[in-house]
Amino acid sequence: AQKVTQAQTEISVVEKEDVTLDCVYETRDTTYYLFWYKQPPSGELVFLIRRNSFDEQNEISGRYSWNFQKSTSSFNFTITASQVVDSAVYFCALSEYTPLVFGKGTRLSVIA
Amino acid sequence: DTGVSQNPRHKITKRGQNVTFRCDPISEHNRLYWYRQTLGQGPEFLTYFQNEAQLEKSRLLSDRFSAERPKGSFSTLEIQRTEQGDSAMYLCASSSGDREKLFFGSGTQLSVL
Repeated sequence: AQKVTQAQTEISVVEKEDVTLDCVYETRDTTYYLFWYKQPPSGELVFLIRRNSFDEQNEISGRYSWNFQKSTSSFNFTITASQVVDSAVYFCALSEYTPLVFGKGTRLSVIA
Repeated sequence: DTGVSQNPRHKITKRGQNVTFRCDPISEHNRLYWYRQTLGQGPEFLTYFQNEAQLEKSRLLSDRFSAERPKGSFSTLEIQRTEQGDSAMYLCASSSGDREKLFFGSGTQLSVL
């Protein structure tokens, strides 16, 4: 069965600090997709990234970067030079041949 | 692209009443999903449609819940004889295909008194 674990329930950082959100997943399939979503205080989930299991290249998008390591079943998300607008709940999710299964999320608070 | 639209945004009802929520997906998306989210938890899958066919239902979806997607366009989620445990945010999402990214609506917050 597929499962996503986000062990960090809440993280608080001061603006401009770097922060890494951890995600560990379990799956029996060799083909799967991993996702990160952001849920700001407004409530609407916003897609950030999708990565398939055959592509272990790290990805960088502006201040965001993702580190995918199949050996440790992890797909971690780093925000560099955090800003107050980054404050939100971040969800990691996994899809095999099924709808997305989400982790419980990590609440990030960035303090000015 | 107007995004995924959900109505109403908020619904307060008394225990035992029936409620219905509506979701209008992105027009060209053939997949539509319903999720439920409670405080401090991630979204939990309820059911999904490909066009008008309901392809999968979670064990979370009791007999009191029914979802439809007539003509493969908008979808409705009905909860009969609501219970306090049904209080949650009900999220709708759509996508263009299998394992594609989901676009979420703003959700319907249900409070059962």
